[in-house]
Amino acid sequence: AQKVTQAQTEISVVEKEDVTLDCVYETRDTTYYLFWYKQPPSGELVFLIRRNSFDEQNEISGRYSWNFQKSTSSFNFTITASQVVDSAVYFCALSVTGGFKTIFGAGTRLFVKA
Amino acid sequence: ETGVTQTPRHLVMGMTNKKSLKCEQHLGHNAMYWYKQSAKKPLELMFVYSLEERVENNSVPSRFSPECPNSSHLFLHLHTLQPEDSALYLCASSQDQGALLGYTFGSGTRLTVV
Repeated sequence: AQKVTQAQTEISVVEKEDVTLDCVYETRDTTYYLFWYKQPPSGELVFLIRRNSFDEQNEISGRYSWNFQKSTSSFNFTITASQVVDSAVYFCALSVTGGFKTIFGAGTRLFVKA
Repeated sequence: ETGVTQTPRHLVMGMTNKKSLKCEQHLGHNAMYWYKQSAKKPLELMFVYSLEERVENNSVPSRFSPECPNSSHLFLHLHTLQPEDSALYLCASSQDQGALLGYTFGSGTRLTVV
């Protein structure tokens, strides 16, 4: 069975601080895909990144970076120099081939204060 | 119009009412999904349609009835709902039925059952 754990329920930071959102996953499949989505107050989940299990390269996109480590089954997300507009709920998710379900974590609510 | 569009954005209905939620995508995606998001609970997959055929019904009560008349439209028909059905209902689409490339979500319908 697959599982995604986001242990941090809520994080509060002050603007310009760096913040890391943790994600730990479980799967027995060797081929799988990991995702991060952002859900701002408007409600729509916005796709941020997709990683497959064979690509452990870290990725940076502007102020966002992702650290994928198969050895610890983690796919952590770091926001550098956070801004108020980063306030949202962030979901980590896992999909495996041959299935119809994407497994979502419970989400981490990030508050960035001015 | 691009992306996934859901209507209405907000809906208040009595327990004896019948209403429908609508979802539309013009992305050329082959699969569409209904998710339920309740407070303090993980995202729950309700239904999956691939090429207009229902491929997943995640033990959803019969008071929720999906309909997919074509690959661009998805409906969720509601009747005799309970107050615990109050939630944010999110529609999503994906290029592939396993959503291995990720989802595009709509903004959701905030449903309140009174």
